[in-house]
Amino acid sequence: NAGVTQTPKFQVLKTGQSMTLQCAQDMNHEYMSWYRQDPGMGLRLIHYSVGAGITDQGEVPNGYNVSRSTTEDFPLRLLSAAPSQTSVYFCASSQALPRGGANVLTFGAGSRLTVL
Amino acid sequence: TQLLEQSPQFLSIQEGENLTVYCNSSSVFSSLQWYRQEPGEGPVLLVTVVTGGEVKKLKRLTFQFGDARKDSSLHITAAQPGDTGLYLCAGTNTGGFKTIFGAGTRLFVKA
Repeated sequence: NAGVTQTPKFQVLKTGQSMTLQCAQDMNHEYMSWYRQDPGMGLRLIHYSVGAGITDQGEVPNGYNVSRSTTEDFPLRLLSAAPSQTSVYFCASSQALPRGGANVLTFGAGSRLTVL
Repeated sequence: TQLLEQSPQFLSIQEGENLTVYCNSSSVFSSLQWYRQEPGEGPVLLVTVVTGGEVKKLKRLTFQFGDARKDSSLHITAAQPGDTGLYLCAGTNTGGFKTIFGAGTRLFVKA
């Protein structure tokens, strides 16, 4: 089915290790974003991209890198994992907004990351 | 920094009761969305509101966007156990691409 695909679904890391969470969408959406979800804190925006080659920081960008080389893919990199990055990560995408329009997000199923 | 304050954080009610969830901010948003999330899944869109004062109805759910586009509410009439879940409000900035979420309201409807 068309949509947003995230891999892996589960990952355990040791402090200091690096890894990449993958996100791919097949809906030709211009906008993609990464959120983390922690208990009692809703979803917090990490990074987002409004098109290939363009990325910007969200609310909690520290410790994470992103790139957008194609419209379809938006990987999230943790260069040196810390226990504070233990969370569930969601990737989301949406179509380019018309002026004054709504950013309707389609979410992936999430990636649960544990950093020991 | 834009913030969305959602209340209450947790709500446990009996089947048949009515409830209202609030989403407030000091910032103006170009649009506001309500999502529902089930355990182990990503949020799924319920509704989008874009015009100040707009009211939308989705069966027993009524959504309202404040006149100043800074706040919104979700009202559920005659709640059912199937309404149990995490409800999230989300606002998009007036530039159009940055969407932030409230902390969510966890609703539990007892049969």
